[in-house]
Amino acid sequence: DAGVIQSPRHEVTEMGQEVTLRCKPISGHDYLFWYRQTMMRGLELLIYFNNNVPIDDSGMPEDRFSAKMPNASFSTLKIQPSEPRDSAVYFCASSLTPPGGTDTQYFGPGTRLTVL
Amino acid sequence: ELKVEQNPLFLSMQEGKNYTIYCNYSTTSDRLYWYRQDPGKSLESLFVLLSNGAVKQEGRLMASLDTKARLSTLHITAAVHDLSATYFCAVGWGGGADGLTFGKGTHLIIQP
Repeated sequence: DAGVIQSPRHEVTEMGQEVTLRCKPISGHDYLFWYRQTMMRGLELLIYFNNNVPIDDSGMPEDRFSAKMPNASFSTLKIQPSEPRDSAVYFCASSLTPPGGTDTQYFGPGTRLTVL
Repeated sequence: ELKVEQNPLFLSMQEGKNYTIYCNYSTTSDRLYWYRQDPGKSLESLFVLLSNGAVKQEGRLMASLDTKARLSTLHITAAVHDLSATYFCAVGWGGGADGLTFGKGTHLIIQP
């Protein structure tokens, strides 16, 4: 298996622009997670899906952030409009079990987002 | 709210030495995960510990879980430079269906 796939790997944009991050989970994994990592705040869970349905979006920072999972093999995280404080590395992860379940989470390579 | 504390947050050590990273957490849980992150890279799963007293070993790394003390340790034996990385623990809560909280990570540098 190719593992979790994310695109783009790097994104540089200007404040106010829309940004869309993409993720393909490992085939057969029912759970998909979006994380954000910064030096200041560490690794934060933004949202996770089970069988394409959003389960917990309490970590989504504000209405500018939205996530969708139209099918089992694709998810997007959108920021509109983007702000410099959104600059971070965004990871997608997938798993066979819920968070805190018996399976670990498998992380993608991440998207490094810079908002100027 | 579950709190996960790792210590130390930064560790510089010499090759050949032994050391332990500690992961303390604030509420009852028997699900503990260790990850490794190399600079600029993703997180790689190292160990999954699912019961009190669980111990797992891979090469020079050994992880254990004491649920009564709410403590997990990651022990490094005879460290080598290739083990330089940031190590994260994460704790599952809610009975294994609700959430996962990560520690801030331990940045480990192993010098020749």
